[in-house]
Amino acid sequence: GAGVSQSPSNKVTEKGKDVELRCDPISGHTALYWYRQRLGQGLEFLIYFQGNSAPDKSGLPSDRFSAERTGESVSTLTIQRTQQEDSAVYLCASSLLLGGAYNEQFFGPGTRLTVL
Amino acid sequence: AQKITQTQPGMFVQEKEAVTLDCTYDTSDPSYGLFWYKQPSSGEMIFLIYQGSYDQQNATEGRYSLNFQKARKSANLVISASQLGDSAMYFCAMREGQKTDKLIFGTGTRLQVFP
Repeated sequence: GAGVSQSPSNKVTEKGKDVELRCDPISGHTALYWYRQRLGQGLEFLIYFQGNSAPDKSGLPSDRFSAERTGESVSTLTIQRTQQEDSAVYLCASSLLLGGAYNEQFFGPGTRLTVL
Repeated sequence: AQKITQTQPGMFVQEKEAVTLDCTYDTSDPSYGLFWYKQPSSGEMIFLIYQGSYDQQNATEGRYSLNFQKARKSANLVISASQLGDSAMYFCAMREGQKTDKLIFGTGTRLQVFP
C-alpha cells in the first residue's frame, strides 16, 4: 500500500517568502507528526495532530510556523516570512493510533527546504 | 538536559562483525518507549526496533537487538553480522508517557561498514 507522501520534495525560496509543505499520511492513520531535521542533526519535533486537532504544538519554533490538518488526512505546514535558519528537511510521519504502548511512526521522504 | 544522548558521532565496523551503538535517555515518567531508526543516505527513516519501559525482555528483530538496562537508563542497539548495507545514520528516540506519541531524537551515530 501507499506510504506517507510529501510534496514538494525540494523547495528553494527567497528569504521573506511564505512556503507551504504538504503531507499525505497513510490512509486510516489518525495521528500525524511534523519534524524538522537540520543538516547533520537529529529530528526535532514540531507538532502533532490527533484527527484534525493539534494537542501539542510545543515544537513550533516561532509564530511564523503554523500547521493544519483537514479531513483527518492531508496536513499542511506553513512557514511565513522564511528565514535562512528555516533551511532543513521537514519530515512528516503518521501512525495508526495515539498513545498506548507502541505505535510505530511511518515517515515520509521529507521536503528539503532551502532559503536563500 | 538532553533527553536522548548518543555519544558516538561515528562508528566503524568490519563486515560480518557485531557492533553496538550507544544510547542513554533521561525521563522521570515510568511509562516510555524507546525506538531505533536507520536513515540511509537517501534520507528516509526506517524503523528498526522498539523497547517498552515495562517490557521484561530485551527486544530483538532479526539482526537487531536492544540491550535495555533500565537502571542505567541505556538502550543500546546491537547489530550482529554487519552488512555493507547497514552503513547509515542511526537514531535513538524516546516517547514519554502514553498521552503523546511525539518522539524525542538523539543526534545520531553514523555507522560505516567496511569489507
